[in-house]
Amino acid sequence: AQSVAQPEDQVNVAEGNPLTVKCTYSVSGNPYLFWYVQYPNRGLQFLLKYITGDNLVKGSYGFEAEFNKSQTSFHLKKPSALVSDSALYFCAVRDSGVSNYQLIWGAGTKLIIKP
Amino acid sequence: NAGVTQTPKFQVLKTGQSMTLQCAQDMNHEYMSWYRQDPGMGLRLIHYSVGAGITDQGEVPNGYNVSRSTTEDFPLRLLSAAPSQTSVYFCASSRDSLNTGELFFGEGSRLTVL
Repeated sequence: AQSVAQPEDQVNVAEGNPLTVKCTYSVSGNPYLFWYVQYPNRGLQFLLKYITGDNLVKGSYGFEAEFNKSQTSFHLKKPSALVSDSALYFCAVRDSGVSNYQLIWGAGTKLIIKP
Repeated sequence: NAGVTQTPKFQVLKTGQSMTLQCAQDMNHEYMSWYRQDPGMGLRLIHYSVGAGITDQGEVPNGYNVSRSTTEDFPLRLLSAAPSQTSVYFCASSRDSLNTGELFFGEGSRLTVL
């Protein structure tokens, strides 16, 4: 069965420190992987995606993510956190071998950056 | 650029009432979808459409109807509101039928059913 896990409900990081938000997935075919961010009382915004090619993907606002096929992971990272990065982050996956036009979503991780 | 526009932003209904959440996009996207977001449960797909005249069910379709008469509009109808439908609803569109393209989301509609 297809699934996405975000094992941490909340991640706390001090401003200026590196941050990691974890995501693991399970699909039968090749994965298309996405990260989205949601600021309070707003819709979700696309951050970055992995489709094929280089395992390290760079996205908006200085975020990057590394696709690790052997560990079935796609962790979101940023070298130096900003207070403005505080938000809810969602990982999503699509199985490239399934034409059901649906994404599988993680439950979300709340990121809190403390000054 | 308006992107994806949802109305209303807030709505309070009584149990049994019906209503329509409106969604419009101006990006000429073929794919449109409706999600509901509940605390701790992430996003759950209600219905989606891959083009005008084509709709299909997602993970939680019961109690909701959709139609897609034009590329731009994708309204979500609650037939007989129940307290379990209290949620935040998001409309989202994508340019390539959600193959490799990202989703563009509206600002959300917060619905309370009493």
